[in-house]
Amino acid sequence: VYLVESGGGLVQPGGSLRLSCAASGFNISTSRMTWVRQAPGKGLECVAKVKEDGSEKHYVDSVKGRFSISRDNAKNLVYLQLNTLRAGDTAMYFCATLGDLGAFDIWGQGTLVTVSS
Amino acid sequence: DIQMTQSPSSLSASVGDRVTITCRASQSVNDFLHWYQQKPGRAPNLLNDLTCNLQTGVPSRFSACGSGTDFSLTISGLRPDDFGTYYCQQGFSPPYTFGLGTILEIK
Repeated sequence: VYLVESGGGLVQPGGSLRLSCAASGFNISTSRMTWVRQAPGKGLECVAKVKEDGSEKHYVDSVKGRFSISRDNAKNLVYLQLNTLRAGDTAMYFCATLGDLGAFDIWGQGTLVTVSS
Repeated sequence: DIQMTQSPSSLSASVGDRVTITCRASQSVNDFLHWYQQKPGRAPNLLNDLTCNLQTGVPSRFSACGSGTDFSLTISGLRPDDFGTYYCQQGFSPPYTFGLGTILEIK
């Protein structure tokens, strides 16, 4: 049972990236899925989450209108579209499942997003 | 949003010591309080879901307790592999917020 993120990289301010999260060993269709980021040397912040069927999505205020989470249950994939990127978005982005008790129980290894000119 | 305050922010202890990390929520989170251990360069690892319920595979030297707003994580008989950063997180009310972390260094 694991998650693998990809799609990170170096991007200029104002640019865009699309992160992907591939699940293996379990079916994501029964899990709320999230993206949690960690700026260098800093703590953890859940920036986006999506309900099992994709019908509800929630974002932290700092990314509303710029980031978009989506999922493809048939392909066992979750995505995070990052637009209008800022230096403050520089972070490791982790994909994680969110259990019924509100705990982030399965994590990927993360993909690094660096926003710099 | 519920604010989570951890203390201490860092501590140094010796192998065999007993250490306690505390976490306070700005409002009640019932017992929806989770702890994570993170090693450098790795993803966080969930230690418990609900206050006192350790995940399978977490050593019994770890224990967590509390309810409402005040919680603690205790490691009894510290081992070298216990170094890292420990985070608390509330799963009671979205957004599900984390504490700023406690860095545990083994002397």
